[in-house]
This record gives sequence, C-alpha cells and structure tokens, in this order.
Amino acid sequence: EDQVTQSPEALRLQEGESSSLNCSYTVSGLRGLFWYRQDPGKGPEFLFTLYSAGEEKEKERLKATLTKKESFLHITAPKPEDSATYLCAVQPPSGTYKYIFGTGTRLKVLA
Amino acid sequence: DSGVTQTPKHLITATGQRVTLRCSPRSGDLSVYWYQQSLDQGLQFLIQYYNGEERAKGNILERFSAQQFPDLHSELNLSSLELGDSALYFCASSVEDRPGTQYFGPGTRLTVL
Repeated sequence: EDQVTQSPEALRLQEGESSSLNCSYTVSGLRGLFWYRQDPGKGPEFLFTLYSAGEEKEKERLKATLTKKESFLHITAPKPEDSATYLCAVQPPSGTYKYIFGTGTRLKVLA
Repeated sequence: DSGVTQTPKHLITATGQRVTLRCSPRSGDLSVYWYQQSLDQGLQFLIQYYNGEERAKGNILERFSAQQFPDLHSELNLSSLELGDSALYFCASSVEDRPGTQYFGPGTRLTVL
C-alpha cells in the first residue's frame, strides 16, 4: 500500500536553529513529491514540487531535496513566522492524479 | 492567495441534514480536487473532476457527491450528515489532468451538531 510518513510529528526550534523535516514514502515510480505549508484553519500553501531523485529546490530559508525513498525539508536559521505545519504529499503512478498526504510536522519556532 | 475560492467559510448544521460546498478553481485550471481534513486522519482525497467529468474517486462516502459545471466551478454535496462528518473540506485545482502542482482553497469548516 502506498504510504507517506513524516517525522518528527512536532518540532520546537529556537530562532536561528537550523533543522530538517523528513518525508519517507513507499510509492514506487513516483510521479511527484510536493511540500506544502499549512497555518491553522487555512488551506495548504504550495512550497515545492520535486520530480526526480537528486533534485533540489530552494525558497528563502527552505530547501527541499529528494532521494529514491525520502525527501527532506531543510530549514536554515528559522524565524517565528516559519511556525506552521509542513505537509508532504506524493502522486503515485496509479491511474489517478490524487495526492497521498503525510500527517505533517508541526513546527514551532521560538523567539 | 492561491486563486481558488471556496464558500461558505463556515457551516454549522444538524445531523441528518444536507449541505452544499462550493469551489471556484484558479483561472485556467480544468481540474478540481476535493479533500477532507479531520484532526485524526489528516488530508484525505475524496474526488477529482476534469473539465466536467469525474476522473478519480478516493475515500468518498456514498452520502457524498460532487459535480463540476460548464463554468468549471464545482460543488460537493454532503447528505444525511453525521457527527463524524465534521471537518475541514478543501478544494484544490490544477491546470491539467496529469501530475502536477495543486493549489488549495481556504477551505470550508463544517460542524455537524
């Protein structure tokens, strides 16, 4: 069964303390891996799309990387405004285009 | 702002009732996806439409149905509501009916009392 697992479930960082979030998946023949940021009560906000192992994308303090089994979202020198839940989703090679979401990592950055 | 709009923002109703949630995709997007997000289950895919046609079904209950209209807006109909249907319902859209980035709306929070 296709599965997406995110770790850790929750993470507390001091402002400026860099760290990484993990998204591992059991989907073979991945069509795409997507990272979203979600604030409480709001819709997921698109961050990155990764399609092949070795690919990297960057945006401000965030950098996403992809291997054959997992993806990392690296957060460099985070600020309190980076506090949110970060969601990972994959598109499997089945006949549909649905996303399979992980349950997310709740990030809290303390000033 | 993703460009995807959803109405209403909040909906409070009673068990056994029927409600309709509405979604307008981003300009130019032909695909609409519906997701349910509850506290204990995360985001679950319900159904996808592409240019008016149903393309994929996920974990959508028989009490739920959806459609996409010629102007590409979509409606999700939930009937015989139960307490467990209380959740956030999100609509997302993408430009084509193939793998790609989906943009999410702000969601409708449904509370069933």
